[in-house]
Amino acid sequence: NAGVTQTPKFQVLKTGQSMTLQCAQDMNHEYMSWYRQDPGMGLRLIHYSVGAGITDQGEVPNGYNVSRSTTEDFPLRLLSAAPSQTSVYFCASSVTGTNTEAFFGQGTRLTVV
Amino acid sequence: KQEVTQIPAALSVPEGENLVLNCSFTDSAIYNLQWFRQDPGKGLTSLLLIQSSQREQTSGRLNASLDKSSGRSTLYIAASQPGDSATYLCAVIWDSNYQLIWGAGTKLIIKP
Repeated sequence: NAGVTQTPKFQVLKTGQSMTLQCAQDMNHEYMSWYRQDPGMGLRLIHYSVGAGITDQGEVPNGYNVSRSTTEDFPLRLLSAAPSQTSVYFCASSVTGTNTEAFFGQGTRLTVV
Repeated sequence: KQEVTQIPAALSVPEGENLVLNCSFTDSAIYNLQWFRQDPGKGLTSLLLIQSSQREQTSGRLNASLDKSSGRSTLYIAASQPGDSATYLCAVIWDSNYQLIWGAGTKLIIKP
């Protein structure tokens, strides 16, 4: 049972480069989300999706795009990387958004230089 | 503003002790509250989920309580072990946009 799989685990980007963080889940969960975790702060929601074809912005969406073409996959795209996007990124999924536990991937540690 | 606070930021106790981690939140109109564990370099693992209608949840040596009126939740760990060393995070869902609002966590160290 793979759960939530994120790739890559580590990435270094130069300012201005773009990239896609991959997230896949095999639990048939409708709800998926992306968070970023910065030192000394709680996790903050970037984007979320309540099902295939439906996405919405979270607390800190600027500089990121998402799409949800299938139930399983929810990639996060950095359009033009900036040093402020240096962070650890987590993808999560749950059966529903509000009343079931959330499952998290192992995280992607991104450094923008 | 809806906020979640965890105090202390770090806690170190000898092995075998029972301990309590605290989580406080503004606004009592929550959907649910969840406790997570995070190990260094790893993802987050859900420990306990308390629905707004519940007062507590138990799993093994862990017990989480919820008091909405006072805006508090506690995570009780019985007979602590070195393997319990990790950062414990509390998160709350308040409204239908499904956003988990997170505390900054308590880093727990259990000394052998």
